[in-house]
Amino acid sequence: QKEVEQNSGPLSVPEGAIASLNCTYSDRGSQSFFWYRQYSGKSPELIMSIYSNGDKEDGRFTAQLNKASQYVSLLIRDSQPSDSATYLCAVNPGGGADGLTFGKGTHLIIQP
Amino acid sequence: GAVVSQHPSWVICKSGTSVKIECRSLDFQATTMFWYRQFPKQSLMLMATSNEGSKATYEQGVEKDKFLINHASLTLSTLTVTSAHPEDSSFYICSARRAGGPYNEQFFGPGTRLTVL
Repeated sequence: QKEVEQNSGPLSVPEGAIASLNCTYSDRGSQSFFWYRQYSGKSPELIMSIYSNGDKEDGRFTAQLNKASQYVSLLIRDSQPSDSATYLCAVNPGGGADGLTFGKGTHLIIQP
Repeated sequence: GAVVSQHPSWVICKSGTSVKIECRSLDFQATTMFWYRQFPKQSLMLMATSNEGSKATYEQGVEKDKFLINHASLTLSTLTVTSAHPEDSSFYICSARRAGGPYNEQFFGPGTRLTVL
């Protein structure tokens, strides 16, 4: 069974600090990886996608992928209270499969 | 760009009735749309994959006769929950993959909260 694992948290980070969110996946053949942000009662919002090993930066967000270790992470710099949400890691296994497998999410709290 | 809408945003129905949920990609064409379900404090679970003009592909454990999916155009997919029961109460979210878009990026609709009495 293909799994995506995340620490459910809550992860509490002071405002202005760096928040680090981690995710591991079981399917070594996975091709593409996504981070979604979900506020309570709302649907997920795509914030980062990454397909190649290494780092990808977009504003205050940096996604990191290490396929050998089957590990993907998200860093949020200069954390703001509005970043408080649940962050979902999602993986597309490739091989013709279209759907995403989601982790259970990490609940992030940014403390003012 | 990449806006997906859903209608209705919430619905309350009696047990045994059927409910139709619409998912539309507003500013792009979606060759593939997906339907997810999310129970409280749980993650999203993929229910089915819907390709325009063809039958939907259902995930294991999802009853295709209960959850009818139609993807009649590149901008519209519908999910009909037939003979709904209280255990079907959930947050139903669709997503759409942009035609020609890279690597399966999916954009989610705002979701439909279904409550079956």
